[in-house]
Amino acid sequence: RKEVEQDPGPFNVPEGATVAFNCTYSNSASQSFFWYRQDCRKEPKLLMSVYSSGNEDGRFTAQLNRASQYISLLIRDSKLSDSATYLCVVNWEYGNKLVFGAGTILRVKS
Amino acid sequence: DAGITQSPRHKVTETGTPVTLRCHQTENHRYMYWYRQDPGHGLRLIHYSYGVKDTDKGEVSDGYSVSRSKTEDFLLTLESATSSQTSVYFCATRPTSSGNTIYFGEGSWLTVV
Repeated sequence: RKEVEQDPGPFNVPEGATVAFNCTYSNSASQSFFWYRQDCRKEPKLLMSVYSSGNEDGRFTAQLNRASQYISLLIRDSKLSDSATYLCVVNWEYGNKLVFGAGTILRVKS
Repeated sequence: DAGITQSPRHKVTETGTPVTLRCHQTENHRYMYWYRQDPGHGLRLIHYSYGVKDTDKGEVSDGYSVSRSKTEDFLLTLESATSSQTSVYFCATRPTSSGNTIYFGEGSWLTVV
């Protein structure tokens, strides 16, 4: 089993749609969680951290489910500019290890 | 932006030649990382540094070495490049070990022919 797993997609959605991605992780000792966005041929950039109580940033909502060991990202009212690859990142405090998922491709179409 | 520059940005080299990629940061971040990104694998850690002259191996360190003689510079060397090392290489930095976000450079595209 991979340490961090994501559905690679692609998720093809129309503008205005709501889309959700999940990411599962294998290490129950994981402490910090993040979603990064990566545009084609660009570096990954932080989209948002994921807090235990869940958090929202505009159209984006992140949730953490420790019992089932997954995090989720919900995007409402999708824009064309949301088209990108979304990377799930898990931080294992022991050994200072950041583990990246392979990413989920989102394509928003007009 | 976190002030991370990578050089060269693009390079084509021949099998068996040594290659050095440079990462320079202006943020005085303690931690620096080298990742490679390949389709289907996501980002994989090659080596990282937790201070000047303090480095450790990541999950795909074979065939690579690193050096950090100054806080701001982290060098990645491919001792003898192979075609399997054709990839995109990202440098990243992080202020402290826990909780803080990681910032990436723009990437170095390396092709080994």
